[in-house]
Amino acid sequence: EAGVTQFPSHSVIEKGQTVTLRCDPISGHDNLYWYRRVMGKEIKFLLHFVKESKQDESGMPNNRFLAERTGGTYSTLKVQPAELEDSGVYFCASSQSQGAGNTIYFGEGSWLTVV
Amino acid sequence: AQRVTQPEKLLSVFKGAPVELKCNYSYSGSPELFWYVQYSRQRLQLLLRHISRESIKGFTADLNKGETSFHLKKPFAQEEDSAMYYCALSVYGSARQLTFGSGTQLTVLP
Repeated sequence: EAGVTQFPSHSVIEKGQTVTLRCDPISGHDNLYWYRRVMGKEIKFLLHFVKESKQDESGMPNNRFLAERTGGTYSTLKVQPAELEDSGVYFCASSQSQGAGNTIYFGEGSWLTVV
Repeated sequence: AQRVTQPEKLLSVFKGAPVELKCNYSYSGSPELFWYVQYSRQRLQLLLRHISRESIKGFTADLNKGETSFHLKKPFAQEEDSAMYYCALSVYGSARQLTFGSGTQLTVLP
C-alpha cells in the first residue's frame, strides 16, 4: 500500500513567487492534514480536511496560504506570494477516521526554501 | 490551549545504556499522547500512543496525569535508535489535530 505522497520534495523559489505543494493521501483516507515546521520551531498544524471540506483551518498563518482538496482526493497547498519566513518543511498526513486509536500517517514532507 | 514541552534538544547515550526522553504537557482536559519518531531520511512515523500501553522496539511510555508527563524510556539503547523523537498531544475524541513538542535528537554512541 502506498503511503502519503508529497510533491515536490524540495523547492527553491524567490520571495514573491508562488509555490504549490501537492499531497496524495493514502487511498480511502477521508482525513487529510497539513502541518509545517519552520526553522527552529515546532511542527505546527495548519489545517484539516474531511473529504473535500475544511474541518479546521485554525492553523493557517495568513491569507497568502490557500489549501484545496477538490473531489476529496489529493490536496494542494499554495503559497502566494511566498515570503522568507515561509521557508521550512511542509508535511501532509492522512487518517482513515478521527476516532481514538486511529493512526495519522505522514508524508516525507516538502522542503520549501524562499530566497 | 494545549502545549507540549520537550526540554532536551539533544541527547546522547552509549549503546546499552538506559535512555529517557522527557515530555511534559499542559492541557486541562483528557489528552491523547503520542511519540513519533523520524529516522534519518525517513518520514515521521508513530512509535507509540498512551492508550495502547504497548512496547514498541523496546520503548515504553507511561502517562502520568499528576505530573502531566509522558516520558519515553528504553532500558538498553541501540545504535539504530538514533533519530529525532517528537512527543505529541491531541484532544481526546475530537478532530485529530496534533500539537507537537520541539523534538529531541537522540544519538546512541557505539
